[in-house]
Amino acid sequence: NAGVTQTPKFQVLKTGQSMTLQCAQDMNHEYMSWYRQDPGMGLRLIHYSVGAGITDQGEVPNGYNVSRSTTEDFPLRLLSAAPSQTSVYFCASSHPEGNSPLHFGNGTRLTVT
Amino acid sequence: AQKITQTQPGMFVQEKEAVTLDCTYDTSDQSYGLFWYKQPSSGEMIFLIYQGSYDEQNATEGRYSLNFQKARKSANLVISASQLGDSAMYFCAMREGKYDYKLSFGAGTTVTVRA
Repeated sequence: NAGVTQTPKFQVLKTGQSMTLQCAQDMNHEYMSWYRQDPGMGLRLIHYSVGAGITDQGEVPNGYNVSRSTTEDFPLRLLSAAPSQTSVYFCASSHPEGNSPLHFGNGTRLTVT
Repeated sequence: AQKITQTQPGMFVQEKEAVTLDCTYDTSDQSYGLFWYKQPSSGEMIFLIYQGSYDEQNATEGRYSLNFQKARKSANLVISASQLGDSAMYFCAMREGKYDYKLSFGAGTTVTVRA
């Protein structure tokens, strides 16, 4: 019972490099989302998807792209990494019901130097 | 404007005592849901408890209960009989509307349980 799987767990990038954070869920959840967590700021929504082929921007989308070609996968792409993107990134998913909690992956700690 | 406000950055509690974590929210929707999550030092996000805006009873899950005061727009988490393993960061979150599945999170409260 894997739940939400994120890879990698840790990553160090140089400024200007690009990379993709992977996220997969095996719970057949329609809703998936990416958050970043910074000290004192809680979790802020980057992008989300309500189903395959549908994505939308959250609160802090600049510098990130997403796609949702399947129900299971929701990768997050950093186009040109900047030090301001140093953060912990969480992928989360849920059923499309109001009382359904988000299930989170274990996070990716990204450092941009 | 902040949708979720957690005013206590950090709290200390003695083992076996109860602790209340404050959460106030801001929404104009009549239908919304409130969630609490726990994040231990290992980093994972653990769902604790849910309260719907139309729920008449306060939610309870084991040692966790939610003190829901709709008119004051507050949803405080009460942890009874604190244990050392309760030491963690706690986040309050809100989902607004019937068909919007996004969660907005507060800044979190760090709880440290002392033996």
